[in-house]
Amino acid sequence: NAGVTQTPKFRILKIGQSMTLQCTQDMNHNYMYWYRQDPGMGLKLIYYSVGAGITDKGEVPNGYNVSRSTTEDFPLRLELAAPSQTSVYFCASSYLKSGLYNSPLHFGNGTRLTVT
Amino acid sequence: QQQVKQSPQSLIVQKGGISIINCAYENTAFDYFPWYQQFPGKGPALLIAIRPDVSEKKEGRFTISFNKSAKQFSLHIMDSQPGDSATYFCAASTGGGYNKLIFGAGTRLAVHP
Repeated sequence: NAGVTQTPKFRILKIGQSMTLQCTQDMNHNYMYWYRQDPGMGLKLIYYSVGAGITDKGEVPNGYNVSRSTTEDFPLRLELAAPSQTSVYFCASSYLKSGLYNSPLHFGNGTRLTVT
Repeated sequence: QQQVKQSPQSLIVQKGGISIINCAYENTAFDYFPWYQQFPGKGPALLIAIRPDVSEKKEGRFTISFNKSAKQFSLHIMDSQPGDSATYFCAASTGGGYNKLIFGAGTRLAVHP
């Protein structure tokens, strides 16, 4: 019963490098999300997906890309890493839309990314 | 208008005391108000949630108080324990459309023995 699994846990990137943050869930949830968490800023939505093949931008999508080829996987791609992307990234999933009363977000344990 | 303002940023409470975290919003279309709890090194997890048709919801030592006219809601932790030390996020959303959750900035709670 793994829930939402994120890899890697930690990563250091140099400016301009690229990487993919992996996220997989085993709860057969249609809805998946990527958030970034910065100190004192709460959680900001980067991208979300309502099902395989469907993705859309959240509040802070610039510098990121996503894909959703399967129900289980929702990778986040950073193409040209910048220091402003230093953050903790959380993947989440939900059975229904996240704002519904009986549809809590299930979060992974995060990826701490440092760009230097 | 889409913001949720949370205070305080950090809070220190003695064991057995009451922890109170407050949130305020502007968008009167918000109709779902959850609280998430996050322990160090972990992702947030839903703690308790309320809809605006009730003024209070209690689950064990955790209570949400909701004041619709003031557009404020708060989390009360009674008999606070060291194990409650975590970061707490309030959030809000509307029922229509995609209804994305808007999160507050978070409150870091430390309960001292």
